[in-house]
Amino acid sequence: AQSVTQLDSQVPVFEEAPVELRCNYSSSVSVYLFWYVQYPNQGLQLLLKYLSGSTLVESINGFEAEFNKSQTSFHLRKPSVHISDTAEYFCAVSDPSDSWGKLQFGAGTQVVVTP
Amino acid sequence: SQTIHQWPATLVQPVGSPLSLECTVEGTSNPNLYWYRQAAGRGLQLLFYSVGIGQISSEVPQNLSASRPQDRQFILSSKKLLLSDSGFYLCAFNSRGTGELFFGEGSRLTVL
Repeated sequence: AQSVTQLDSQVPVFEEAPVELRCNYSSSVSVYLFWYVQYPNQGLQLLLKYLSGSTLVESINGFEAEFNKSQTSFHLRKPSVHISDTAEYFCAVSDPSDSWGKLQFGAGTQVVVTP
Repeated sequence: SQTIHQWPATLVQPVGSPLSLECTVEGTSNPNLYWYRQAAGRGLQLLFYSVGIGQISSEVPQNLSASRPQDRQFILSSKKLLLSDSGFYLCAFNSRGTGELFFGEGSRLTVL
């Protein structure tokens, strides 16, 4: 069975500083990997995903994540955060051979950006 | 385009009262449908998923039930709410063969 570990439950960061959110997964098979963002009192929105190909994936708002198979990690980074990046971030994994595509989510990391 | 809607957005209910949360999907056929619960500080918990009309799988034993009366409609219910049922409920769907989930706006339930 797959599992996802997000090592930090909360990450405080100053505006315009870089941030890294760590995500590790356990799986003996190939995986699909996702990062979702949740703003207060809203549903989750897909931020970026890795399905295959280049191990570095980027989002339209400056986030990037790198798939590292040897370390079974998919850490999320942004070089300079904005106040509007304050949100909860969830890492998730699914098994490509599972036609139902059920995602396994991490516990989430709360990012709080302050001026 | 594919969209998902769930309602009500917020709900305050007394202990022992019934519950019905509804979710509908547009722009896709035969989606997989999911109900998640998000309790404060506890991440996302998968409650139910459905791969077709009338086909419901429960992930955890609980006071809740789910039904799928139509292809793109998913309902979460309870006959008698408990205090522990309070939380933020999220409906989601994906199409077969992809892992990406699309989430509704969420329904915040407070049981008093």
